[in-house]
Amino acid sequence: QSALTQPASVSGSPGQSLTISCTGTTSDIGAYNFVSWYQQHPGKAPKLILYDVTNRPSGVSDRFSGSKSANTASLTISGLQAEDEADYFCSSYTSTSIYVFGTGTRVTVL
Amino acid sequence: QLQLQESGSGLVKPSQTLSLNCGVSGGSISNGDYSWSWIRQPPGKGLEWIGYIYQTTNTYYNPSLIGRVTISVDMSRNQFSLKVTSVTAADTAVYFCASLVRGVVGFNNWGLGTLVTVSS
Repeated sequence: QSALTQPASVSGSPGQSLTISCTGTTSDIGAYNFVSWYQQHPGKAPKLILYDVTNRPSGVSDRFSGSKSANTASLTISGLQAEDEADYFCSSYTSTSIYVFGTGTRVTVL
Repeated sequence: QLQLQESGSGLVKPSQTLSLNCGVSGGSISNGDYSWSWIRQPPGKGLEWIGYIYQTTNTYYNPSLIGRVTISVDMSRNQFSLKVTSVTAADTAVYFCASLVRGVVGFNNWGLGTLVTVSS
């Protein structure tokens, strides 16, 4: 099972929106609506920010939103803030009942 | 709120076995609504899913680690464990334990992580 593909880095200015893509296959992202996204600040554990493609856990800002089309999922951060600077990872449940993570994207707030 | 805490040896010699535990507080390890997982992150790299256990005995593992990895539950200590045999430097990583809860297909609770270094 290969890692899902994400851009290595994206950047934006405060207040802007940015989108991170996560590309997989018909065996993972394309198989179910079971894509999740994680935010990880340096030296910290990852934090779940989206699950089932579009759902936010309680307490997560509504500036984070998700979508999916075929084998590609996307995370959009609206109204970019300095605190959003972090690494972001996607993950998908797969048709063989295992999980796979994305390669990770470093978000820089200019 | 469920809390998870990793513990175990931080230094393992090549070819030996890495052993970690994840203590669970705020809930029961035998609660069938939860699955328990291990995830690792080599220094400066991305996340790698290792495996998970549900209903105390059913396991799924990353195909790249099958044959070297075992995840098990210890109900008496309310914890779950990870063993990785025949380790090499490539197994050096921060190891996280995490939980999944029924209805949320995502790792919603994480431990702080523990660094395991494989070195002689």
